Amino acid sequence: LAKTTQPISMDSYEGQEVNITCSHNNIATNDYITWYQQFPSQGPRFIIQGYKTKVTNEVASLFIPADRKSSTLSLPRVSLSDTAVYYCLVGDSGSARQLTFGSGTQLTVLP
Amino acid sequence: GAVVSQHPSWVICKSGTSVKIECRSLDFQATTMFWYRQFPKQSLMLMATSNEGSKATYEQGVEKDKFLINHASLTLSTLTVTSAHPEDSSFYICSASWRGRSGTQYFGPGTRLLVL
Repeated sequence: LAKTTQPISMDSYEGQEVNITCSHNNIATNDYITWYQQFPSQGPRFIIQGYKTKVTNEVASLFIPADRKSSTLSLPRVSLSDTAVYYCLVGDSGSARQLTFGSGTQLTVLP
Repeated sequence: GAVVSQHPSWVICKSGTSVKIECRSLDFQATTMFWYRQFPKQSLMLMATSNEGSKATYEQGVEKDKFLINHASLTLSTLTVTSAHPEDSSFYICSASWRGRSGTQYFGPGTRLLVL
């Protein structure tokens, strides 16, 4: 069971790039790294997923070093609407491994 | 794609009654569904994992007779909170995934339960 550790909170200003790092020292070979965004009273929303190196989509980039023991979610040019809790999750539901949410990172974007 | 719905979105009930929450995958077949509970200002806590056609696997500390889970088809899972009490008031969220999807879960919008 891969436990994750993230900073509890981060503040940023509009237009800045935000990087949130997640530690997952006991990640298994079959595990993928997935990041979710959650707004209050809503279910988490999928942001990005990766296995190794770098992944980029229209909203974020995910950087994973060679040892895969950590990952960094990068949000370019954040806006006020990016204020939310961000969770990284490590696992492989295809093998029915249990997936545990860590504490998440509360990102607050200031004007 | 990959839309998950939940019904109802919120429910208020009297103590001692049972409440059923439905979770549906609208545009894909979910081989696995997960049920989470989230208290205010806290992270999601996994309650159980449900595979289509088989019994749910409950996390330690979650009473299976209290939280009945049924995953009768590849698009529907239900969570029934039996004999609900005020301490069961919480935000319940389901998610769905399918084999080979490399750990990605798609979450429903959540159901707010208030037990009076």
